[in-house]
Amino acid sequence: QVQLVESGGGLVKPGGSLRLSCAASGFILSDYYMGWIRQGPGKGLEWLSYISRGGTTPYYADSVKGRFTISRDNTKNSLFLQMNSLRVEDTAVYYCAREVGAMFVDYWGQGALVTVSS
Amino acid sequence: QLVLTQSPSASASLGASVKLTCSLSSGHSNYAIAWHQQQAEKGPRYLMKLNSDGSHSRGDGIPDRFSGSSSGAERYLTISSLQSEDEADYYCQAWNTGIRVFGGGTKLTVL
Repeated sequence: QVQLVESGGGLVKPGGSLRLSCAASGFILSDYYMGWIRQGPGKGLEWLSYISRGGTTPYYADSVKGRFTISRDNTKNSLFLQMNSLRVEDTAVYYCAREVGAMFVDYWGQGALVTVSS
Repeated sequence: QLVLTQSPSASASLGASVKLTCSLSSGHSNYAIAWHQQQAEKGPRYLMKLNSDGSHSRGDGIPDRFSGSSSGAERYLTISSLQSEDEADYYCQAWNTGIRVFGGGTKLTVL
């Protein structure tokens, strides 16, 4: 069955960096676009980024453009999110997601908590 | 600009039906959307893709109590025979090249 497992979350100071990983299983990663979505405390879902099957075409929400970088390693069945210049408002649960047809999410990970605080 | 609008809350009784609404912004009335459910303290779960003509396809394991329909720029999620586990937040999602958008979510309370 399809599984997406995030790791790498934790506590980081403002201005710091963190790298999230997502281990994919149960499907061929290179067949799908993948993305990251977050949810701040008590808030709704916020799309952050998605990446094409081969990893050559990433897109970002304005809120993270220039600070976050999405990447993937299809040979290792993994998706990544490098987060730099973190701000208090980046505190959230970060979800890895599989997209079907390069359109919408059809599978979600369980989430990784990132807390940005001094 | 692609924007999705949802009512913040809805409620219905156990065993009844409820219809949730997601409104597409002007100029996007022909867009398909996806519906997702998020139960308390859990990650989201994909429910279905809903096309502008009302046709829809449910995700793996989603019961047929969940159905979708469309009218103009409105997209609907109907849940029939409400169960306690249907109490959750429901989000709609739309997409275009370079962007993905979520609605603000509707919190459904089962009375």
